[in-house]
Amino acid sequence: SQQGEEDPQALSIQEGENATMNCSYKTSINNLQWYRQNSGRGLVHLILIRSNEREKHSGRLRVTLDTSKKSSSLLITASRAADTASYFCAPNPSIAGYALNFGKGTSLLVTP
Amino acid sequence: GAVVSQHPSWVICKSGTSVKIECRSLDFQATTMFWYRQFPKQSLMLMATSNEGSKATYEQGVEKDKFLINHASLTLSTLTVTSAHPEDSSFYICSADATRDEQFFGPGTRLTVL
Repeated sequence: SQQGEEDPQALSIQEGENATMNCSYKTSINNLQWYRQNSGRGLVHLILIRSNEREKHSGRLRVTLDTSKKSSSLLITASRAADTASYFCAPNPSIAGYALNFGKGTSLLVTP
Repeated sequence: GAVVSQHPSWVICKSGTSVKIECRSLDFQATTMFWYRQFPKQSLMLMATSNEGSKATYEQGVEKDKFLINHASLTLSTLTVTSAHPEDSSFYICSADATRDEQFFGPGTRLTVL
């Protein structure tokens, strides 16, 4: 099954610093999605990048996609304590009705 | 964007009872919905794929007789945990497939079995 693998597993930074998380996957995709999950809560969709896009921005988020390397990165700039959460990538193949499979995520801790 | 709701948000029940969790797509129709389970500090694991009007497809290791899924309409799928036991305590999340491009996730249901 198509599953993203996030790296690093855990990351601790101070407020104001940038946080970079990486995702690798194995097969071809239609798009790749990034989600955030606060402890004990549901998933929040952050950003979707399509296979023909190389970079996408949304507020303080910047996502890149390199389909030749089958990898993506999520950059959070000027991090805040409220960004503390787990972040998951979900490679999405171009098959209707196909479930997203999640890796273990990157656990981000932003300290004041 | 599309909204998916779950009910209840959390439930505490005694061992041996059955618990039903609802997943609704509020402003779109979903022929396919997915049920995930997440144990503490672990990732979401796909349990089953729910298709409207047909039987659900279960992932390996998930007991279909224990986790009953009904997708009776294009906006509602239910997951019933039958004869729940403490090891079934988990965070259950559903998602709905609106288009090929994107799925929308519910807020999750926390089940605690005493």
